[in-house]
Amino acid sequence: GIQVEQSPPDLILQEGANSTLRCNFSDSVNNLQWFHQNPWGQLINLFYIPSGTKQNGRLSATTVATERYSLLYISSSQTTDSGVYFCAVEHNDYKLSFGAGTTVTVRA
Amino acid sequence: EADIYQTPRYLVIGTGKKITLECSQTMGHDKMYWYQQDPGMELHLIHYSYGVNSTEKGDLSSESTVSRIRTEHFPLTLESARPSHTSQYLCASSRDTSYEQYFGPGTRLTVT
Repeated sequence: GIQVEQSPPDLILQEGANSTLRCNFSDSVNNLQWFHQNPWGQLINLFYIPSGTKQNGRLSATTVATERYSLLYISSSQTTDSGVYFCAVEHNDYKLSFGAGTTVTVRA
Repeated sequence: EADIYQTPRYLVIGTGKKITLECSQTMGHDKMYWYQQDPGMELHLIHYSYGVNSTEKGDLSSESTVSRIRTEHFPLTLESARPSHTSQYLCASSRDTSYEQYFGPGTRLTVT
């Protein structure tokens, strides 16, 4: 199956800092999503982005499908941004495969 | 905004009990999914359904079973719970494959 690698595994930020999370995948994708999992375990949809660039407030994402990677940018981080960020992709088997996640800790 | 619900949110149960985890969505989505997630780990697909009367096993082997009698409802059942079933179970749905998946709040299951 398709392999999904996220980096870095852990990220500690000071409030107000910017950061970039990366997702590499091993094959072409029909679907790519970024999620934020909050401390209560809920997965929040951030972006549906199989290609191109999107922005939503302080968050933005870019997927370069031909080079098989996606980036999630967090600007002016806040303590509420803490949690685990997951990248998930679908190749051609109609199922999402998840990366191991990046754990982000934002300190006040 | 997605409307997908899971009950119970937390469940502590003894070994050998039968349990059913409920998942419902009000969006009319045909595709529904169950994932299992251990603390701090990635999600693994254990069951999925493409529509009524359709169920398939996912990538991670699971002793649970599912049914899809109604479009909006996709319950997961464990006939005899064991401590190894302790985990978080997340339900999701999508309008179609290759479309955005929306997740419920999850059920944290502890089997003692």
